[in-house]
Amino acid sequence: NAGVTQTPKFQVLKTGQSMTLQCAQDMNHNSMYWYRQDPGMGLRLIYYSASEGTTDKGEVPNGYNVSRLNKREFSLRLESAAPSQTSVYFCASATGSGYEQYFGPGTRLTVT
Amino acid sequence: QKEVEQNSGPLSVPEGAIASLNCTYSDRGSQSFFWYRQYSGKSPELIMFIYSNGDKEDGRFTAQLNKASQYVSLLIRDSQPSDSATYLCAAILSGYSTLTFGKGTMLLVSP
Repeated sequence: NAGVTQTPKFQVLKTGQSMTLQCAQDMNHNSMYWYRQDPGMGLRLIYYSASEGTTDKGEVPNGYNVSRLNKREFSLRLESAAPSQTSVYFCASATGSGYEQYFGPGTRLTVT
Repeated sequence: QKEVEQNSGPLSVPEGAIASLNCTYSDRGSQSFFWYRQYSGKSPELIMFIYSNGDKEDGRFTAQLNKASQYVSLLIRDSQPSDSATYLCAAILSGYSTLTFGKGTMLLVSP
């Protein structure tokens, strides 16, 4: 099992460009999550999907959109990137309770 | 305001010692608590979870939960240099269905 995979691993964008971060899991988990991690700020939840077909906002959703494509895949889109979105982005998945979460390797995004 | 608080550290201990990492949370009604380990440049890895008051042991790791005092701790016995990492405390706070993470405590184990 690959667990949780994320693409790309690194990305540099110019202000105003758009991109989609991809996440997939092969653990048959119902819940999936997108976090960002910034120095001194810890992990903050952007969006989550408790089950296929549902998505909900987390603590810091502004500037992002998500799509739960199917049970395996959960993508995060930046429509118009801003330097404040420079961060490390982690995708995670969990069983039905959503409590024991397993993280992907992360995407390091720089917006110039 | 929901909060999970951790001392940022670094906490420095010599090899072989017991490392004690602490975490406090804002809501007495919170039920579920988790410890993640994050090596520099890597993703968080779940190492322990605890739902009931008391101690839970797993190898060299012991999680302790005291709901009356609203704290959860992680003890690492016989600390090794390979334990050097940032340890994240997380909780399902009352009224929320998602994890709230603390900012993490950096642990340094010196040979």
